[in-house]
Amino acid sequence: AQSVTQLDSHVSVSEGTPVLLRCNYSSSYSPSLFWYVQHPNKGLQLLLKYTSAATLVKGINGFEAEFKKSETSFHLTKPSAHMSDAAEYFCVVRTAYSGNTPLVFGKGTRLSVIA
Amino acid sequence: NAGVTQTPKFRILKIGQSMTLQCTQDMNHNYMYWYRQDPGMGLKLIYYSVGAGITDKGEVPNGYNVSRSTTEDFPLRLELAAPSQTSVYFCASSDTGANEKLFFGSGTQLSVL
Repeated sequence: AQSVTQLDSHVSVSEGTPVLLRCNYSSSYSPSLFWYVQHPNKGLQLLLKYTSAATLVKGINGFEAEFKKSETSFHLTKPSAHMSDAAEYFCVVRTAYSGNTPLVFGKGTRLSVIA
Repeated sequence: NAGVTQTPKFRILKIGQSMTLQCTQDMNHNYMYWYRQDPGMGLKLIYYSVGAGITDKGEVPNGYNVSRSTTEDFPLRLELAAPSQTSVYFCASSDTGANEKLFFGSGTQLSVL
């Protein structure tokens, strides 16, 4: 079975300070991991994905995430928050060995950015 | 470029009514999905399809039905609406199932009263 836990339901940062959104996963096989972002009243958009290549993955809008197998973590970071980063972020896992396995979504972390 | 289009954007139903949520994509994607999003609960998969004529249940299929007669369209049917089906529904598509990103529609907000 596979699952994902987002450790914070809400994170608040000041504009220009670093962002850290935490995610731990559980998977019986080598996982594929994703981060999606959802801006208010919008559908979800892929930020980045890890698929067993480089463990440090760079995404759009300056975000990156590091896959740490020993810690079963895939935390999302950004060096400097911008007001436009305020949104809901979802960590997502899929067991890589089966292409038809649907994605499993975390419960989401709401990021607030204070001016 | 339209991507994934969902209609309607909002709908209010009475208990026991039925309706169909429409979803169409113009990217020639084989895989299509229906998710529901409840506050603080992330997204739950209702049904998915790996190609025209093929559908399969997801995590929370009860109370819903789907069909996939064409590559482009993947409607979701609610036969007897219940308050527990009040949610935001998202349709998504992807080119393949393995490690490909999902393209999401903008969602349908459904209230059952």
